[in-house]
Amino acid sequence: GAGVSQSPRYKVAKRGQDVALRCDPISGHVSLFWYQQALGQGPEFLTYFQNEAQLDKSGLPSDRFFAERPEGSVSTLKIQRTQQEDSAVYLCASSFEPGANYEQYFGPGTRLTVT
Amino acid sequence: GENVEQHPSTLSVQEGDSAVIKCTYSDSASNYFPWYKQELGKRPQLIIDIRSNVGEKKDQRIAVTLNKTAKHFSLHITETQPEDSAVYFCAALRANNLFFGTGTRLTVIP
Repeated sequence: GAGVSQSPRYKVAKRGQDVALRCDPISGHVSLFWYQQALGQGPEFLTYFQNEAQLDKSGLPSDRFFAERPEGSVSTLKIQRTQQEDSAVYLCASSFEPGANYEQYFGPGTRLTVT
Repeated sequence: GENVEQHPSTLSVQEGDSAVIKCTYSDSASNYFPWYKQELGKRPQLIIDIRSNVGEKKDQRIAVTLNKTAKHFSLHITETQPEDSAVYFCAALRANNLFFGTGTRLTVIP
């Protein structure tokens, strides 16, 4: 079946613009995670959803970052008033089981460049 | 929070030799330790994982060892092949957060 998909794959935003990044998890997967991956670094946790409930948002770096998963399937990560330090690859991952202690299937990522 | 350190940052081996990557973690409550492989421009993919009730796990040419007392775990790849060349990330789970290491770029020289 289809894996995790993300769109757009690349996004260039001018500083101060708002952006919305979409994640389509694998069908039936309960858990959904967002990560931020800076160049040459490992992914850093942003937020976790179990179905439609956002159970953990401790990794969101500021109140400019907002994520939702209203129907427990597709998720959107929104960044308001983008800054240059927001430039990174944003990875989405999903897992069939609740919690993070099972294999996470990653999407291809959205590379955000803020100019 | 959890702090995961990974060494070395780069590793070059001859084809057929073994490669070892080591990680340490800080939170003794962490109980799940996956390893992900990320090829250039591609998504991370799980290659092996280990839970805290197990000391070692092996899958063909790949093995992972865990020392809970010392809070470190290692990835071992034997009989390396050129297609093993990639960046490898270790991670440790605390609550619902996976904390990743900074990655090891493995190059297998044919």
